This record gives sequence, C-alpha cells and structure tokens, in this order.
Amino acid sequence: EVQLVESGGGLVQPGGSLRLSCAASGFTFSNYWMSWVRQAPGKGLEWVANINQVGSEKYYVDSVKGRLTISRDNAKNSLYLQMNSLRVEDTAVYYCARLVLGIGYAFDIWGQGTMVTVSS
Amino acid sequence: DIVMTQSPDSLAVSLGERATINCKSSQSVLNSSNNKNSLAWYQQKPGQPPKLLVYWASTRESGVPDRFSGSGSGTDFTLTITSLQAEDVAVYYCQQCYNTPMCTFGQGTKLELK
Repeated sequence: EVQLVESGGGLVQPGGSLRLSCAASGFTFSNYWMSWVRQAPGKGLEWVANINQVGSEKYYVDSVKGRLTISRDNAKNSLYLQMNSLRVEDTAVYYCARLVLGIGYAFDIWGQGTMVTVSS
Repeated sequence: DIVMTQSPDSLAVSLGERATINCKSSQSVLNSSNNKNSLAWYQQKPGQPPKLLVYWASTRESGVPDRFSGSGSGTDFTLTITSLQAEDVAVYYCQQCYNTPMCTFGQGTKLELK
C-alpha cells in the first residue's frame, strides 16, 4: 500500500525549533519529488516546500525562506522539514505529499498530517 | 508568483443537481511543450487530507467517479460535479505548480447541501 506517515509535530514556543519527518512506503521513494503543504486551523491549503529526487533542488514559499528547510534521506525513505525561528503564524497541520511531474505537477499521495502549534 | 482565485467561496446545491466551481490563474498554466494545462483539483473532507480528483485540468484520477469533470485552458478552469451526492460535501481546491515547481492553491470553495 502506498503510504506517507508524518510525525514530529507538537507544541513549541515562538522562536523555537521542531523537526518533522515523513516516512514513505509502498513506492520507490527516490523516484519522486516530495513536498510539504500546510493548513492553518480553519484555513485553506498553503504549499510550503518542494524537493527533487536527489535533494539538489529545493523551493520554498517566500514566508518560510531562511527558517524552514526541506530535506530527504532516500536510504531511509524519509522526508524532513527542519523548522527554526518558528512564529505563531506557522501553526498548522503539516502534510507530506508526493509531487508527480508527469501529471502536471500534482500531489497524488498525501499523509494524514501532523499538527504544529506555536504558542507561548 | 501565480495567484489562483476560486469562485464562489461557498456554494449550496441540492442533491442530484449540478455544482460548478471556477478557478482563475493570474498567468497562463498552459505548457507549450505538450499543450496541456498544469492545473489540478482536490477534494478535502473535514479531518481528512486532500484527495486528488483531476490533473492536467481535465484528466480524472483513477477511482474518481465520472460525475466529476474538469475543463478550461490557459487561465480559466472549471470543476463540475453533475448529480451531486451527499458524500460530495467538502471543500474543493485548485492548484498549480507551473513553470518552476513553486506551487499555489486557490483559497478553496466550500460545497454544501441545499
């Protein structure tokens, strides 16, 4: 079964750090671009970051540049999001998703999400 | 950056009736290399992750009922649900990652039963 499972969310104070993980299974992880997408409580979807198959290309939404870092370990079939200098406005459910270029850059597989709460 | 604007923000439709959701992009998302539009539609139900419904603007994902259809080209796109079912109540999003893989979503359209 093709699956993505996120972990690492929690409560953190403003200015703090957190590392999210996403474990992939059921497909050849190293063949795909991967992404993080977030959703603030009661709000819409916001794309956060993309990474290519080997980790040499990374793209971020402007609001997280310099604070959040996407990475991957193909040997462990895992995607990561290092979150530093967190702000209240980073509070959201963070989804890991598979980005497929061959279908016009669409996200075809999503995890269930992990909640990040930034609050004092 | 490409901005995606959906209309309406919310929509109430009776069971068995048609629902139409629009999405407008601030720039064309038509790929000149294959003449296809890099535009996708998603359905999200409460407490669940989004689900891919349509890609390339009009190609249904495997397993998606044929009452869902996508259309449009360039900057104007439509998701149509014919004969609305109760399980179609959800929020719908359009999305693009055109040109470089920096992506944007529309703000979402909430579909409810009338």
